[in-house]
Amino acid sequence: AQSVTQLGSHVSVSEGALVLLRCNYSSSVPPYLFWYVQYPNQGLQLLLKYTSAATLVKGINGFEAEFKKSETSFHLTKPSAHMSDAAEYFCAVNSGGSNYKLTFGKGTLLTVNP
Amino acid sequence: DAGITQSPRHKVTETGTPVTLRCHQTENHRYMYWYRQDPGHGLRLIHYSYGVKDTDKGEVSDGYSVSRSKTEDFLLTLESATSSQTSVYFCAAQAGSGRFDEQFFGPGTRLTVL
Repeated sequence: AQSVTQLGSHVSVSEGALVLLRCNYSSSVPPYLFWYVQYPNQGLQLLLKYTSAATLVKGINGFEAEFKKSETSFHLTKPSAHMSDAAEYFCAVNSGGSNYKLTFGKGTLLTVNP
Repeated sequence: DAGITQSPRHKVTETGTPVTLRCHQTENHRYMYWYRQDPGHGLRLIHYSYGVKDTDKGEVSDGYSVSRSKTEDFLLTLESATSSQTSVYFCAAQAGSGRFDEQFFGPGTRLTVL
């Protein structure tokens, strides 16, 4: 079974600083990976997804993620944090054997300090 | 956006009472899901549906049942609510079975079982 691990349940950065949220996957087959964002009291929305077309994936709101097979990682970055980026971020992988189920990481709460 | 709505948005109930949560989508997506979100656990799949009257269990299905009599509606029932089922419940929908198809999420239902 495929799984993802998010390192750090809580990340705090200053406004304007680099955002780095870590996600490592476990998969015996090429994975299909996603990053979702959840703003307070809302549902999840897709930030970006890796579909094997390119290892560097650009998403909404200035976020991007790089797929590194050698490191089994798909870390999410943003060069300069904004206050509006404060949210919880989830990494997810398409579960092997069923092309329509996602397995989510436990989430990373991003706090942006002024 | 799959136009997903959930009702009710908030509910407080007592242990032992039955509870039904409703999910409605407007985009005719084939696949629908129920998740629960708890601190430290991320999102965990309760049940999912791959078509009208076609459902299957997820990783935390004990104590829950689902029904899907129409494409647009997916109901989650707690037959006899327990305090351990206090959680935020999210419904999601996905158009196809492609490994990089996006899931769209509803706004969530906050359920408290006293």
